[in-house]
Amino acid sequence: DTGVSQNPRHKITKRGQNVTFRCDPISEHNRLYWYRQTLGQGPEFLTYFQNEAQLEKSRLLSDRFSAERPKGSFSTLEIQRTEQGDSAMYLCASSLGYGGPISGELFFGEGSRLTVL
Amino acid sequence: AQSVTQLDSQVPVFEEAPVELRCNYSSSVSVYLFWYVQYPNQGLQLLLKYLSGSTLVKGINGFEAEFNKSQTSFHLRKPSVHISDTAEYFCAVSEGGSYIPTFGRGTSLIVHP
Repeated sequence: DTGVSQNPRHKITKRGQNVTFRCDPISEHNRLYWYRQTLGQGPEFLTYFQNEAQLEKSRLLSDRFSAERPKGSFSTLEIQRTEQGDSAMYLCASSLGYGGPISGELFFGEGSRLTVL
Repeated sequence: AQSVTQLDSQVPVFEEAPVELRCNYSSSVSVYLFWYVQYPNQGLQLLLKYLSGSTLVKGINGFEAEFNKSQTSFHLRKPSVHISDTAEYFCAVSEGGSYIPTFGRGTSLIVHP
């Protein structure tokens, strides 16, 4: 399978713990996105990478959230000191683009579901 | 700033009936428009997209959408739905010059036998 892969698929944690999600995009894709989706809502943008550079961060991304894409390949999203409000599906997407704005599709992974008790 | 409104949270329909899922966007500049579908326990996948040119766009699985600039709409249609079309449908907009698509809250299409 050469699609976008996310791990773990499910994570249950206690409030205050740290969690980390990993995303492996389609290998030739230079753009990588993180979105968050809660029940009954559409995906909300969190952050965007072009290669290893983090170019955009949403105001939704508090200081407890950090994302990296160290070699321009896989990415990690870490949430420190989790809160119950962090419970959501975290989606990763990748795309291929050079220069100008997005004109093509995003390829999404199946998501990582976080439950904070 | 770009935004998307999907007016219907849920659309029930009988099999083989036509369906229209509504999407309106807000933007002051030119836009790219997308419809994605999410089947249960699967990731979002692209149904169709409008970038430029013909305002009627055809996608996969018999879906089509029409871009209406004056009404700032991009409604999704299918002339005859199947049980397998039951899924969540998301409209998304990306302003010219933006790298970040904004998604609507989604419409749940429920097809009854």
